Amino acid sequence: AQKVTQAQTEISVVEKEDVTLDCVYETRDTTYYLFWYKQPPSGELVFLIRRNSFDEQNEISGRYSWNFQKSTSSFNFTITASQVVDSAVYFCALSDYNSGYSTLTFGKGTMLLVSP
Amino acid sequence: EPEVTQTPSHQVTQMGQEVILRCVPISNHLYFYWYRQILGQKVEFLVSFYNNEISEKSEIFDDQFSVERPDGSNFTLKIRSTKLEDSAMYFCASRAPGLAGGPREQYFGPGTRLTVT
Repeated sequence: AQKVTQAQTEISVVEKEDVTLDCVYETRDTTYYLFWYKQPPSGELVFLIRRNSFDEQNEISGRYSWNFQKSTSSFNFTITASQVVDSAVYFCALSDYNSGYSTLTFGKGTMLLVSP
Repeated sequence: EPEVTQTPSHQVTQMGQEVILRCVPISNHLYFYWYRQILGQKVEFLVSFYNNEISEKSEIFDDQFSVERPDGSNFTLKIRSTKLEDSAMYFCASRAPGLAGGPREQYFGPGTRLTVT
């Protein structure tokens, strides 16, 4: 069965520090999709990125970057020069053949607190 | 930018009562979902809906739950007889048809906080 582990429950940093949020996944499928969502204090879930299992290129979007390592089943998320507005809960999620490539299996989330 | 909307934002109900949570997915999306998040916990899948029928459902989605797309825009989740443990944030999500590269991302609504007393 598919599983997503976010071992870091809470991370506290000071503004301008870099921070990496870890995500380790389990799936028996060779084709799968990985996602990151952000949940700010207001509660909504905001889509950040989608990555398929065949694309191992790292991605950068502004201050955000993602490191996909199939060999270690990890899809880590780094925020460079963190800002107070980055404070949120970040969820990693997986969709695979077993779930019909439809449902999302979420990790428990990592709460990021960025202080001024 | 198109977005998923949900009403109400907060619903308080007594145990045993029926509730209907409403969602308006993004207009050109064909796949619809309900998830729930108990306070402080992870987001859990409840049900997916495509082509006017349920395509997947989780163990949580028992006979007390039902979904419906009564018209071309709304997507509803009904809980027939609420229990205390149904208290949670309920998220609706939708996604567009898949690409050659596989299923696209799901877009979530702002959620309905259900409190059962």
